[in-house]
Amino acid sequence: EPEVTQTPSHQVTQMGQEVILRCVPISNHLYFYWYRQILGQKVEFLVSFYNNEISEKSEIFDDQFSVERPDGSNFTLKIRSTKLEDSAMYFCASRGTGNDQPQHFGDGTRLSIL
Amino acid sequence: KQEVTQIPAALSVPEGENLVLNCSFTDSAIYNLQWFRQDPGKGLTSLLLIQSSQREQTSGRLNASLDKSSGRSTLYIAASQPGDSATYLCAGGGADGLTFGKGTHLIIQP
Repeated sequence: EPEVTQTPSHQVTQMGQEVILRCVPISNHLYFYWYRQILGQKVEFLVSFYNNEISEKSEIFDDQFSVERPDGSNFTLKIRSTKLEDSAMYFCASRGTGNDQPQHFGDGTRLSIL
Repeated sequence: KQEVTQIPAALSVPEGENLVLNCSFTDSAIYNLQWFRQDPGKGLTSLLLIQSSQREQTSGRLNASLDKSSGRSTLYIAASQPGDSATYLCAGGGADGLTFGKGTHLIIQP
């Protein structure tokens, strides 16, 4: 069964550095998402992306964050000047067309900021 | 702003029992409601999606219901098995992003 894949599985970065988290959505999906889950807390929506542009973003997704679909298969989340509080599990998701289509999630990237 | 609450936060039952997990949401203008399973250190596995026009969905031993007027959804698990042990998350879908509850941590005792 097709799945969403994320790399790396674990990223350790010094505070203030930039990180890029990578995702390969399911191949025929057109809607893409990033979520995060701080340890012990709820999964939180960050941003949705469709037709090469952001369609919705939460208040968490400030100027520190950006997303890109650099080619036909990858979907990336860039975090500039990382802070300690950015430490979390970051999940990528994708879905097909139609409100009856579920979002499918990857296994996540655990980001640790030191 | 949509808020999603799940009760109970944790549940431990003997194998074989039928059980119900509860989810409530504040904004009835949801597009759909999705139930997920999360295993420790893993991503989210989609279990069931109920569109706003539907009342329930079934998949194997799982049945999910949706009552928009009362802002509630339930996930019914029949004949529970130890392999069902996981955290179950409910999420309300808006136009784009999902709003999640904190989940119910379920343990099925062999």
